[in-house]
Amino acid sequence: GAVVSQHPSRVICKSGTSVKIECRSLDFQATTMFWYRQFPKQSLMLMATSNEGSKATYEQGVEKDKFLINHASLTLSTLTVTSAHPEDSSFYICSANIRGGAGEQYFGPGTRLTVT
Amino acid sequence: GENVEQHPSTLSVQEGDSAVIKCTYSDSASNYFPWYKQELGKRPQLIIDIRSNVGEKKDQRIAVTLNKTAKHFSLHITETQPEDSAVYFCAASMGNFNKFYFGSGTKLNVKP
Repeated sequence: GAVVSQHPSRVICKSGTSVKIECRSLDFQATTMFWYRQFPKQSLMLMATSNEGSKATYEQGVEKDKFLINHASLTLSTLTVTSAHPEDSSFYICSANIRGGAGEQYFGPGTRLTVT
Repeated sequence: GENVEQHPSTLSVQEGDSAVIKCTYSDSASNYFPWYKQELGKRPQLIIDIRSNVGEKKDQRIAVTLNKTAKHFSLHITETQPEDSAVYFCAASMGNFNKFYFGSGTKLNVKP
């Protein structure tokens, strides 16, 4: 149980284009979903916290107009990187809390974004 | 906000030995402390967690201890195996469903 999927697993896009990443909880409803960014050999950096039906809360320094988050249902959140640039290349991982659970976060497999 | 520090950054042990990773946190309001294992290119996996109402928790070869007064918690792995090699992250959180503050990670290498 507590499986989180992400799609796509890898994406290469050209500079200036937008990319959408999906995060789904497959066998549970998620109270909250979180989006992280991870650079090679570094820790997980929280970008934003997303609750179903409400606006995401962004961490300081994260541009909300560049990283658009939509949390359409209790099982789906999407992150859209708009007007991507090479410096946006990174590993993006989402996580989710189980609705009615005790607050544990279960992580998706991540999406490797490369902007050329 | 909360600040979580993790040590050491790298740790090499011989197979069968024990490994200890330590974390400190700054905010006494934190009350949930999970540990994650991340293999290269893969998702972080929750391996054990502890809440502030207990001082120690054990699951087979893995244990976590918490000292609320000193604001530190540790991961203990006994009888290490090569498959324990990975990066381990600690985290702290204030209350259910709140965001996690992650440590910087420890790369554990278990030599056969």
